[in-house]
Amino acid sequence: AQSVSQHNHHVILSEAASLELGCNYSYGGTVNLFWYVQYPGQHLQLLLKYFSGDPLVKGIKGFEAEFIKSKFSFNLRKPSVQWSDTAEYFCAGPRTGANNLFFGTGTRLTVIP
Amino acid sequence: EAQVTQNPRYLITVTGKKLTVTCSQNMNHEYMSWYRQDPGLGLRQIYYSMNVEVTDKGDVPEGYKVSRKEKRNFPLILESPSPNQTSLYFCASSLAPGVVGYTFGSGTRLTVV
Repeated sequence: AQSVSQHNHHVILSEAASLELGCNYSYGGTVNLFWYVQYPGQHLQLLLKYFSGDPLVKGIKGFEAEFIKSKFSFNLRKPSVQWSDTAEYFCAGPRTGANNLFFGTGTRLTVIP
Repeated sequence: EAQVTQNPRYLITVTGKKLTVTCSQNMNHEYMSWYRQDPGLGLRQIYYSMNVEVTDKGDVPEGYKVSRKEKRNFPLILESPSPNQTSLYFCASSLAPGVVGYTFGSGTRLTVV
């Protein structure tokens, strides 16, 4: 089945450390992939999305993600995290045969000041 | 302001007492969806709707009902709530979720005792 998976459940970093959160997908062909962020007590907000073209996608708040087709990956990165990046991060991709989204299980990021 | 509005934000109820969580969007989106969020399980789709009077089951539809009588509204109905439906619920809408992603509401935290 087409899906996305996130293997990091909880990541703890100090401020200014670099971040990379993993997301793997199991789709064939063209894929649209998304990263969402959920700050504590809030709803999900779109960070960035990959539609086609340049595999390096820039999002809000200094986040970026790279689509690597050969590795079936769409990892989220940030060169230097801040305490305010403490949140849960979700990768998402389309569902089979439907204009719909499937979400990964999420990665909780804790940034220590 | 373009938004998805859910009500109530918090709800405590007793087992078996029917309840409805309302969801409304003002963006003229065709697609609407309900997700539940549980620790360690991420977001799981309950139901989604492709347009008025067109709905389909998601991953965890048992114990839930939905209706889409108007384009803007997509209420979630729990006919006989049970404690295992204690969760954080999100409504979402989109013009084309597999392409542009979803816009999420602020969430409803439901506790069934």
